[in-house]
Amino acid sequence: EPEVTQTPSHQVTQMGQEVILRCVPISNHLYFYWYRQILGQKVEFLVSFYNNEISEKSEIFDDQFSVERPDGSNFTLKIRSTKLEDSAMYFCAGTGDSYEQYFGPGTRLTVT
Amino acid sequence: AQSVTQPDIHITVSEGASLELRCNYSYGATPYLFWYVQSPGQGLQLLLKYFSGDTLVQGIKGFEAEFKRSQSSFNLRKPSVHWSDAAEYFCAVGARGGSNYKLTFGKGTLLTVNP
Repeated sequence: EPEVTQTPSHQVTQMGQEVILRCVPISNHLYFYWYRQILGQKVEFLVSFYNNEISEKSEIFDDQFSVERPDGSNFTLKIRSTKLEDSAMYFCAGTGDSYEQYFGPGTRLTVT
Repeated sequence: AQSVTQPDIHITVSEGASLELRCNYSYGATPYLFWYVQSPGQGLQLLLKYFSGDTLVQGIKGFEAEFKRSQSSFNLRKPSVHWSDAAEYFCAVGARGGSNYKLTFGKGTLLTVNP
């Protein structure tokens, strides 16, 4: 069964550094999402992406965040200048014709 | 705006006992409804979903959930819990209208299973 993959599984970075989190969605998916989960809290929607454009974003997704699909297979989330409060698990997800959202295993981001 | 309430933060049951995890949602119409399970340090696994049709839906691992429109609820049930079911369970809703929708999650219910 096809899976969503994410790399790296764990990223440690210093405050103020830029990070790029990578996702490879299922090949026939058309809609892509990023969510985050701060430790011990609920999963929160960040952004949805379709046809190379952001279709919806949350108030969390400020100017420090950006997404792109650079090569038709990868889907990336960039944080330009990380803050301590960006430490969280970041999940990529995608949907296709079946309406189910399939999640990747997540990237744990630790900002020190 | 859509929202999800999971009133129970932590539930403990004995292995073999029945289980019901509660979920209530707020949405202007009937949303898409989901239950996900998360083991410590792991990703989110879809247990079951409701889009339309039969209000009792079957999922993986012997779980089922019932959509009750009048109560805005989508409670998760399992007749006999196994130790391997210990995990955190999240209810989620999505705005109806196609394949492009954001999920709004509840805060989760942590399930502990006693031997």
